Amino acid sequence: SQKIEQNSEALNIQEGKTATLTCNYTNYSPAYLQWYRQDPGRGPVFLLLIRENEKEKRKERLKVTFDTTLKQSLFHITASQPADSATYLCALRHSGGYNKLIFGAGTRLAVHP
Amino acid sequence: DTAVSQTPKYLVTQMGNDKSIKCEQNLGHDTMYWYKQDSKKFLKIMFSYNNKELIINETVPNRFSPKSPDKAHLNLHINSLELGDSAVYFCASSQGDAGPSPLHFGNGTRLTVT
Repeated sequence: SQKIEQNSEALNIQEGKTATLTCNYTNYSPAYLQWYRQDPGRGPVFLLLIRENEKEKRKERLKVTFDTTLKQSLFHITASQPADSATYLCALRHSGGYNKLIFGAGTRLAVHP
Repeated sequence: DTAVSQTPKYLVTQMGNDKSIKCEQNLGHDTMYWYKQDSKKFLKIMFSYNNKELIINETVPNRFSPKSPDKAHLNLHINSLELGDSAVYFCASSQGDAGPSPLHFGNGTRLTVT
């Protein structure tokens, strides 16, 4: 069956450290993968997109990698800040068809001062 | 200036009632969506419209009926509400329906059925 898995346990890190979140998928051939941030009581906000032919993408303190052999994406936040505390969702779109994004359940990140 | 707005933010109602949730986007996008986020936080797509035409219709009970009067609006009407319909419903929009277009979400409508 098709699955997108993110670590369901919260990730607690110290301010200034690098946070690394994992997204694994099975039985998908994603054309691209996206990462979103969701704060309590708010809708997800788009952060980064990476295509199947890209290995890495960066935006300011954020970095995403995409390994289609391992079927995994890693999301890194360097020099993390308490304001980075939120739930991070990965989403992928299966090759072909409409823009139907399938979301993982998200990983909650807590950055402590 | 809210890009994707949904109303109401909270909706508490009894089983068997009919309710509607409204969504509007001012981004000029062609495609709009309804997603449901359950208690386990999974976001599941329900419907998608492109230029007022239904293009994605997941396995959703036919008590749920989306309506798109124009490409800036996508409403969701739910008949005969059940306890299991309790969730947060998110409206979203994107520039296109086929490319890697990021979704812009509203802030959700928390529906509680008692």
